[in-house]
Amino acid sequence: ETGVTQTPRHLVMGMTNKKSLKCEQHLGHNAMYWYKQSAKKPLELMFVYNFKEQTENNSVPSRFSPECPNSSHLFLHLHTLQPEDSALYLCASSPGGQGITDTQYFGPGTRLTVL
Amino acid sequence: GNSVTQMEGPVTLSEEAFLTINCTYTATGYPSLFWYVQYPGEGLQLLLKATKADDKGSNKGFEATYRKETTSFHLEKGSVQVSDSAVYFCALTGRNRDDKIIFGKGTRLHILP
Repeated sequence: ETGVTQTPRHLVMGMTNKKSLKCEQHLGHNAMYWYKQSAKKPLELMFVYNFKEQTENNSVPSRFSPECPNSSHLFLHLHTLQPEDSALYLCASSPGGQGITDTQYFGPGTRLTVL
Repeated sequence: GNSVTQMEGPVTLSEEAFLTINCTYTATGYPSLFWYVQYPGEGLQLLLKATKADDKGSNKGFEATYRKETTSFHLEKGSVQVSDSAVYFCALTGRNRDDKIIFGKGTRLHILP
């Protein structure tokens, strides 16, 4: 399944670095999501974009900055991260229109390690 | 608020065994219920879903029935295979446009040959 792709698949960065995660969906969907998956914790919804408008910011620290230039692309810009931000970051998309109650399609994730 | 509780893992079974992974929920109104599966090194993918009471979702030999009276959506499979080894997530969404999707913590399943 290559409907939702994420790059890079693995990223190691220092706390002072700036990096970006990229997500692209080829499904013609209108809603896109960022999730954080940490060991032994529930999946955490971070951001939701519906028709390129941000509709959800789930109390995410400002060191995470999303960008959605069009319905097919979603970025997560990272700066001055902390070691506890190390996790698997998952992107998802859904048809949209019904908000976040649609069935979601996930990418493979970016494994982020902050040193 | 809405919540999902699923059984702690890991669950270890032999090939061809019967599988049940329990999931119960708390929600106002009539949520939609989902099971997602995450294979090693991959993202989550939808396994099955049910959108109203007494609906049965099924896919790849897995089944789950939306039981409103017991607020449950247990995942079952009659004969598991090694390739079913993965992490399984129960989830729900409310009916309102702004309702969030809520995931359970996930249950890791190991199937031994």
